[in-house]
Amino acid sequence: EAGVTQSPTHLIKTRGQQATLRCSPISGHTSVYWYQQALGLGLQFLLWYDEGEERNRGNFPPRFSGRQFPNYSSELNVNALELEDSALYLCASRPLAGGPQTQYFGPGTRLLVL
Amino acid sequence: GNSVTQMEGPVTLSEEAFLTINCTYTATGYPSLFWYVQYPGEGLQLLLKATKADDKGSNKGFEATYRKETTSFHLEKGSVQVSDSAVYFCALTTHDRGSTLGRLYFGRGTQLTVWP
Repeated sequence: EAGVTQSPTHLIKTRGQQATLRCSPISGHTSVYWYQQALGLGLQFLLWYDEGEERNRGNFPPRFSGRQFPNYSSELNVNALELEDSALYLCASRPLAGGPQTQYFGPGTRLLVL
Repeated sequence: GNSVTQMEGPVTLSEEAFLTINCTYTATGYPSLFWYVQYPGEGLQLLLKATKADDKGSNKGFEATYRKETTSFHLEKGSVQVSDSAVYFCALTTHDRGSTLGRLYFGRGTQLTVWP
């Protein structure tokens, strides 16, 4: 069974540009979570998508947005990039809601903003 | 609210030493508890989990017991190896069926370095 995949693995942008990160969950998983791992800040919850809807978001500005497609894959968009957006962005998927199932993480996209 | 407090690192040990990484939590409701590991340059891998009080999670020689009375989930290994060098994250998720369902709350991570 294929795991969670993310693309690209690395992304280099300049301040003010937009970044798009992609995530494909494990087959059969309907929930996708996005986390940011910035240096010195630990893992911060960004967004949760389930059944195509945004269910919850963390304490991030509106320029962080995303969507979930009918096949449950997801996209994270970061507009007007700032230097402090440089981080590892991790996507995780979980089976259909029914309890606190384990989340499975992808390898991440490392975003560098210059 | 929900939060995880994890032992500050870094932790440096010699091979075959005993490892303990402390983790305590606060949670609304009844959490499930996890330890994730992150090897250099990689994403997170689930190491072990426990879903109810007194459960012991174990994997690859690592163990952690869900202690409700002390709200703790300390990670232990009797004899570490160089290959265990990584960052270890304690995390919880709750059974709340609202907007936080399934969301993981992480500790800050503990860097472990094992020398030969």
